Amino acid sequence: KAGVTQTPRYLIKTRGQQVTLSCSPISGHRSVSWYQQTPGQGLQFLFEYFSETQRNKGNFPGRFSGRQFSNSRSEMNVSTLELGDSALYLCASSFSPVPNTEAFFGQGTRLTVV
Amino acid sequence: TQLLEQSPQFLSIQEGENLTVYCNSSSVFSSLQWYRQEPGEGPVLLVTVVTGGEVKKLKRLTFQFGDARKDSSLHITAAQPGDTGLYLCAGENTGNQFYFGTGTSLTVIP
Repeated sequence: KAGVTQTPRYLIKTRGQQVTLSCSPISGHRSVSWYQQTPGQGLQFLFEYFSETQRNKGNFPGRFSGRQFSNSRSEMNVSTLELGDSALYLCASSFSPVPNTEAFFGQGTRLTVV
Repeated sequence: TQLLEQSPQFLSIQEGENLTVYCNSSSVFSSLQWYRQEPGEGPVLLVTVVTGGEVKKLKRLTFQFGDARKDSSLHITAAQPGDTGLYLCAGENTGNQFYFGTGTSLTVIP
């Protein structure tokens, strides 16, 4: 079966702009989590959605938001981009909220803010 | 503040050598997972440990969860070039927050 699909793979944006990233989970999975990965901070949890509801949220400013649709696809939005937002954004899907079941990660979206 | 500290941060060894990666915390975790991430890919789950003192083996990889559920280790026997990657521990604490460790970058030289 198809894996987790994240689009786009690469993105270059200018400071102050906003960006929307998309994640299509594995068919049948209802939980989607988002992470930010940087060389300095490692992998940091952004938020988790389950059945269209935000179940958990990490310690990120309000510029970072997300949502999940009825087909379990999820989007995350970052407004007023800052240089420090440059990172690999990873999405993970699972049948139920982690860590009770295995999470499968996508290849990520590499965001560069210039 | 990183709740899960991994050591070493970088490790470069020859093929055939053994190695151990550590994941330590001052917090108690209800479960702990180990992932491997290769360049350009997302992390892939290797194992989940849930019981204090639990030991799990996956071929040449041995995972141990500390008795107090605050730490874990990953031991690789006779490392191979295919083991190269970023190893990450991750766990859910009692507050239902999920954290990843700082990561250990392993390079196995043929």
